[in-house]
Amino acid sequence: KAGVTQTPRYLIKTRGQQVTLSCSPISGHRSVSWYQQTPGQGLQFLFEYFSETQRNKGNFPGRFSGRQFSNSRSEMNVSTLELGDSALYLCASSLDRVGGEQYFGPGTRLTVT
Amino acid sequence: KNEVEQSPQNLTAQEGEFITINCSYSVGISALHWLQQHPGGGIVSLFMLSSGKKKHGRLIATINIQEKHSSLHITASHPRDSAVYICAVRSNTGNQFYFGTGTSLTVIP
Repeated sequence: KAGVTQTPRYLIKTRGQQVTLSCSPISGHRSVSWYQQTPGQGLQFLFEYFSETQRNKGNFPGRFSGRQFSNSRSEMNVSTLELGDSALYLCASSLDRVGGEQYFGPGTRLTVT
Repeated sequence: KNEVEQSPQNLTAQEGEFITINCSYSVGISALHWLQQHPGGGIVSLFMLSSGKKKHGRLIATINIQEKHSSLHITASHPRDSAVYICAVRSNTGNQFYFGTGTSLTVIP
């Protein structure tokens, strides 16, 4: 069974632009979570989706948004990028419930210049 | 205020040594996760537990809900165990995930 895939793997954007990151969960997994990892703040929870509904959200500004499609694939969007948004963005899927065992993707490395 | 505290931050061990990484948390939880992150970023979930003890190969994870404390043990450590180990908890109010800052483990042959 294929693992969690994320696209793109690397991305360079300019301040003020917006970006969309994509995550395809393991086949059959219905929950997708997003995390941001930076050297200064470590891992932080962004949001979690289950059956196309956002179930939980971390403490991030409204510039960070996401959605989940009927096939469980998920996207996250960051608008009006800031230098501090440079980070590794990780997606994880779990089988059949919110908060289950997390299977992580390889991440998208976003650099904002 | 950090909801999850890990110790030690850094750990160097000789191959074969028994290793313990500790995690304390301050919130009520529905589950605690131990994660492993190798250089390059990939994260693997090692354990998810809400009570007692779990074992997988040379890895053992324990949790004491009353004391809000968990430990990850590695028996007979090996250089391939070198990685960052991260403790994460799922709060039982608001379903937030909180992460420790990680323990960087280096096992020397």
